[in-house]
Amino acid sequence: GQNIDQPTEMTATEGAIVQINCTYQTSGFNGLFWYQQHAGEAPTFLSYNVLDGLEEKGRFSSFLSRSKGYSYLLLKELQMKDSASYLCAVRDSNYQLIWGAGTKLIIKP
Amino acid sequence: ETGVTQTPRHLVMGMTNKKSLKCEQHLGHNAMYWYKQSAKKPLELMFVYNFKEQTENNSVPSRFSPECPNSSHLFLHLHTLQPEDSALYLCASSQDGSQHTDTQYFGPGTRLTVL
Repeated sequence: GQNIDQPTEMTATEGAIVQINCTYQTSGFNGLFWYQQHAGEAPTFLSYNVLDGLEEKGRFSSFLSRSKGYSYLLLKELQMKDSASYLCAVRDSNYQLIWGAGTKLIIKP
Repeated sequence: ETGVTQTPRHLVMGMTNKKSLKCEQHLGHNAMYWYKQSAKKPLELMFVYNFKEQTENNSVPSRFSPECPNSSHLFLHLHTLQPEDSALYLCASSQDGSQHTDTQYFGPGTRLTVL
């Protein structure tokens, strides 16, 4: 079967750095997405990786290793507004998105 | 604001009621999706429409009935629901669903409670 694993919850301190991991086992791979979802709001697109390596976008970076079936989202200089759930999704060989259950990130002052 | 709107934002209904959820996208996309989001579970894809044609129906019970009259509007008709159908229902749209870079944009969801 297809599976995406992410930690359920993480806690970090304002101003610090946090890394949210995602491992996947899917039938084929056509890219990996990260979304941010604040409570009661729409998931919003953060990043897309299809090749190995690090993609940097401001305070957020996303890394992919296809051989290891592994990705992480790195958030730097954490702000209180970064408190949200972070969803990892992989596009499989049928072009369907397979979703993880999300990681709830709690930022403390 | 992602360009995808959903109404109503909250809905409480009894098991014998009939209601409809509405989604509208203002992004010029050709693909639209219905997802179910339950607490601490992955997003569950329910239906996909591409150029107004239904391309996916992931074993969804018949008490959920989608309708896509044009590429900008998507409805989810609900009847004789069960309490376990209580969840957040998310609508999304994307350019056309056929490219590996195709990115889905989500609406804010309808929080449905079935009593």
